[in-house]
Amino acid sequence: ETGVTQTPRHLVMGMTNKKSLKCEQHLGHNAMYWYKQSAKKPLELMFVYSLEERVENNSVPSRFSPECPNSSHLFLHLHTLQPEDSALYLCASSAKMGQAYEQYFGPGTRLTVT
Amino acid sequence: QKEVEQNSGPLSVPEGAIASLNCTYSDRGSQSFFWYRQYSGKSPELIMFIYSNGDKEDGRFTAQLNKASQYVSLLIRDSQPSDSATYLCAVQENTGFQKLVFGTGTRLLVSP
Repeated sequence: ETGVTQTPRHLVMGMTNKKSLKCEQHLGHNAMYWYKQSAKKPLELMFVYSLEERVENNSVPSRFSPECPNSSHLFLHLHTLQPEDSALYLCASSAKMGQAYEQYFGPGTRLTVT
Repeated sequence: QKEVEQNSGPLSVPEGAIASLNCTYSDRGSQSFFWYRQYSGKSPELIMFIYSNGDKEDGRFTAQLNKASQYVSLLIRDSQPSDSATYLCAVQENTGFQKLVFGTGTRLLVSP
């Protein structure tokens, strides 16, 4: 247990559905991240929130919409996804520990788009 | 584009041997370097990080950093079958929110 939880752990959705992924961190961190992990590809950073403000959006399609209502919670709203969006979606949080910002990951949501 | 390169493997070592995992990076301004372990179907787990040239030891793990050569490695001593996993190298950008750039990972197989 890293102190970062994600729900649901598995999600199957059709291309016309709307769903949301939830992340919660219990570590008192001040930055939260969404990553996408596809087979054979490096982890791709999608969004960064620092102190509840979005500070990074890595050219992510608008069918992915993040929301950070407070420093402990992060959502990823999904709508009209494509089959190629099927992947493991990982949430992480971080805070400065000495010289470095350590990032801790949640267990991930395995998303399948049919 | 900032890149982190790792050999995808698999790297096969016998139980009890030293496993050596390597990583190179392109951004000379990078300050901190992380190693994560990821078991199949699970999320990455932070093993250790290093930010100064030289070696840093934590139990059976030693991280080595050479900024001049833009090279970072992870040594696992007395490898165990439970160490079999994919090891991800990540390089932290020197920005206000400290983004991580990940390599594709090296798959390690430790045989009994």
